Amino acid sequence: AQKITQTQPGMFVQEKEAVTLDCTYDTSDPSYGLFWYKQPSSGEMIFLIYQGSYDQQNATEGRYSLNFQKARKSANLVISASQLGDSAMYFCAMREGPRSNYQLIWGAGTKLIIKP
Amino acid sequence: GAVVSQHPSWVICKSGTSVKIECRSLDFQATTMFWYRQFPKQSLMLMATSNEGSKATYEQGVEKDKFLINHASLTLSTLTVTSAHPEDSSFYICSAIGTYEQYFGPGTRLTVT
Repeated sequence: AQKITQTQPGMFVQEKEAVTLDCTYDTSDPSYGLFWYKQPSSGEMIFLIYQGSYDQQNATEGRYSLNFQKARKSANLVISASQLGDSAMYFCAMREGPRSNYQLIWGAGTKLIIKP
Repeated sequence: GAVVSQHPSWVICKSGTSVKIECRSLDFQATTMFWYRQFPKQSLMLMATSNEGSKATYEQGVEKDKFLINHASLTLSTLTVTSAHPEDSSFYICSAIGTYEQYFGPGTRLTVT
C-alpha cells in the first residue's frame, strides 16, 4: 500500500487564489513527521513546512500552512494568496519513527501551475 | 538555513565513461548524506545512504558497483556513476542531514550519450 498518496497529478490555479494540495499518509507508528517540499523547474528541493505527529497545532510558515487531520491521516498543504512564483512541483513526504530517523517516504508529487 | 552544494550542476558524458558528482555541506558537518535519483515527472527515489567513514548503504535494486559512493569527510560525499549508459541519464540529488531535517543540494543533471 502507498504510504504517501498525492491524488492530484496537476493543478491550475488563478493568481492570488488560495490553493490546497492534498496528501494522505499511512503509518502505524505513533511517532512520525510530515514534510512538504517545493521543487521548481530548476530542480532544487525547497523545504516548506513540517508537522510532527504530536504537534497540537497546525504548522504555519508565512503563506504556507499545513492542515493536519490526524484521524483522517491527511496533511494537506494550503498556500494562501498564490503567486506566479509558486508554480512548481510539490512533494509531500513522511518520516516514520523518531526524528533521528532521517529517511523520508515520498509522494508522487503535484504539479501546480499558477495562471496570471 | 543550511547550504548544500553539488558539482557539477549539469554534465554530458559518453557511454562507457565514468562521472563523479560531488555533494558538499557548506556550513555544517554531515555524518549522513543521502543520494537520490529522479526521473522526469517522477518523485525522488532513494539510492543510498552515505555515512562518513563507513560503507554506504544501498537501497534494494541499486547496483553498488555501478554507483560508487564515498563519504570521505564530514562535508563531502561523492557519487561516481561507472561505465555510464544512456539509461543512467537522470537527475541526481543529494541531501545532508542537519539537526532535524534533510537539506538538499540543487541537483545534477546527467545526460549519457
